[in-house]
Amino acid sequence: DAGVTQSPTHLIKTRGQHVTLRCSPISGHKSVSWYQQVLGQGPQFIFQYYEKEERGRGNFPDRFSARQFPNYSSELNVNALLLGDSALYLCASSAGQGVTGELFFGEGSRLTVL
Amino acid sequence: AQSVTQLGSHVSVSEGALVLLRCNYSSSVPPYLFWYVQYPNQGLQLLLKYTTGATLVKGINGFEAEFKKSETSFHLTKPSAHMSDAAEYFCAVSDQAGYSTLTFGKGTMLLVSP
Repeated sequence: DAGVTQSPTHLIKTRGQHVTLRCSPISGHKSVSWYQQVLGQGPQFIFQYYEKEERGRGNFPDRFSARQFPNYSSELNVNALLLGDSALYLCASSAGQGVTGELFFGEGSRLTVL
Repeated sequence: AQSVTQLGSHVSVSEGALVLLRCNYSSSVPPYLFWYVQYPNQGLQLLLKYTTGATLVKGINGFEAEFKKSETSFHLTKPSAHMSDAAEYFCAVSDQAGYSTLTFGKGTMLLVSP
């Protein structure tokens, strides 16, 4: 079975541009979470979606938005990119909405903002 | 608010030596605790987790961790290091009422020398 897949794997943008990152969860998983991992730091929670509804939001500005589609895949959008948005963006899926089940992480999308 | 402190950004051991990675947490409610491993250019993989019950938790690849409430600690150990254990390790905490929201520490890079 395929794991969590993310696209693109690497991308370079310039300040002020917009970016869309995509995530396909493991088949049967209804929850998708997004995390930002800045170089040298641990992942930081951005959003969680379960059954196409937002169930959690981290401390990120409104430039960050996300959505989940009927097939449970998800997009993370970031507007007006800043240099500080350069990071590895990780998507994780789980069967349920709680943490007792395992979170399965994708390999991430590495965003560089110039 | 929850937080995680991992003592030591880098830990070096010789192959065959004991591995000890330290994690202390802060949580206002009984926590769920996790250890994840991240190999270069990959996503995170769950090593082990503590939710309720037995405080000594065994995980994959010979790792284990003990939840000590009085010390607010969840240190990760392995009796004998292997070269393949070289990676970055993250401790994470979540409150029992939360969704799939993890608060990660900054990570500890484990270096294994022959």
